[in-house]
Amino acid sequence: NAGVTQTPKFQVLKTGQSMTLQCAQDMNHNSMYWYRQDPGMGLRLIYYSASEGTTDKGEVPNGYNVSRLNKREFSLRLESAAPSQTSVYFCASSDWASGSFYEQYFGPGTRLTVT
Amino acid sequence: AQTVTQSQPEMSVQEAETVTLSCTYDTSESDYYLFWYKQPPSRQMILVIRQEAYKQQNATENRFSVNFQKAAKSFSLKISDSQLGDAAMYFCAYEGGTSYGKLTFGQGTILTVHP
Repeated sequence: NAGVTQTPKFQVLKTGQSMTLQCAQDMNHNSMYWYRQDPGMGLRLIYYSASEGTTDKGEVPNGYNVSRLNKREFSLRLESAAPSQTSVYFCASSDWASGSFYEQYFGPGTRLTVT
Repeated sequence: AQTVTQSQPEMSVQEAETVTLSCTYDTSESDYYLFWYKQPPSRQMILVIRQEAYKQQNATENRFSVNFQKAAKSFSLKISDSQLGDAAMYFCAYEGGTSYGKLTFGQGTILTVHP
């Protein structure tokens, strides 16, 4: 099993350009998440999808959109990139269910630089 | 909203010695989970240990153990017999019992292990 995969691993964008970060998991998990990691701030949740067909905002959703394409795939889109979106982006998945603990598995991350 | 605070930006330890990383959190929920994640230079997020809030017994995983003080909202990680491979960024994280698996992270502590 590959676990959680992300593409691309690195990307440089100019201000105003758009791009989509791809994420896929092969563990048949229901829930998927997008986080960003900035220096000194830990990881912050951008959007999440509790189950296929649903998405919801996290702590820092402004400037992003997401699509839960199917159970395996959860993409993050930057419509008009800004330098403030320079960060490392992590996708994660878990088989979350109320009242139980399920480990959250993380992808390797995408380092995005916006100039 | 829940918050997680790690007040030690950096810590260091001699190989084979013991080190304790601190974490405090704020929540109004009664049902939740707490975690310590390790992030080595490869950026991969690795779950080190978890604690269910309803359990009074502190969690232990080999050389890693926690001191969970629910009333004080404190959750520290003790690493015994430190090894060079323990050098990494460590994140404390919180998950509410009904939060669909969403994690709230602290700012992180960089751990250096000296030979």
